[in-house]
Amino acid sequence: DAKTTQPPSMDCAEGRAANLPCNHSTISGNEYVYWYRQIHSQGPQYIIHGLKNNETNEMASLIITEDRKSSTLILPHATLRDTAVYYCIVRVAYDSGNTPLVFGKGTRLSVIA
Amino acid sequence: DAGVTQSPTHLIKTRGQQVTLRCSPISGHKSVSWYQQVLGQGPQFIFQYYEKEERGRGNFPDRFSARQFPNYSSELNVNALLLGDSALYLCASSLGQVVNNEKLFFGSGTQLSVL
Repeated sequence: DAKTTQPPSMDCAEGRAANLPCNHSTISGNEYVYWYRQIHSQGPQYIIHGLKNNETNEMASLIITEDRKSSTLILPHATLRDTAVYYCIVRVAYDSGNTPLVFGKGTRLSVIA
Repeated sequence: DAGVTQSPTHLIKTRGQQVTLRCSPISGHKSVSWYQQVLGQGPQFIFQYYEKEERGRGNFPDRFSARQFPNYSSELNVNALLLGDSALYLCASSLGQVVNNEKLFFGSGTQLSVL
């Protein structure tokens, strides 16, 4: 079973920031938070990951609370192409390569013009 | 660079038949994983292979099997197909080394319909 809880759906106006929450209250100290997204008819795409510090890359920012029990993925300027299902996943660090990703149902983000 | 390629993209089979799905990983990647995604759900892990050996298996019946070839490509076989096997089958490749935070790169999948 997935170790994360996400809202089933969200809407965001084009050009505005999309803030996608994730609850992972049982996360262990050696587990990272990963975000993947899946655009319709494609395979999941890696977005970002983090342990306890906030992270930013060219796609998004990841804000993790100090107690690490929740996090928020931020798409700073959402476009129509960001419409997708977003998955929040916890996974052990220093992975041997044997630990599979455990997907929940994710959040369906709809970016509206 | 080519990403993960899967074939065929779509497939229609009838109950009881057998199916073989194929995956070519990104060049340089030695690990391949297979996931099943039924409509409305997130992907579910089926198998992982690394250096031609099975390294992990999800909660799927023995009708599901896979193998990895010396060139690191992989096949997923499903025997005695059931209606419930209708799903998008995703292949993901990764370096497969013992690294911190290894990322998976997914193909676009094979859509299998069982009638």
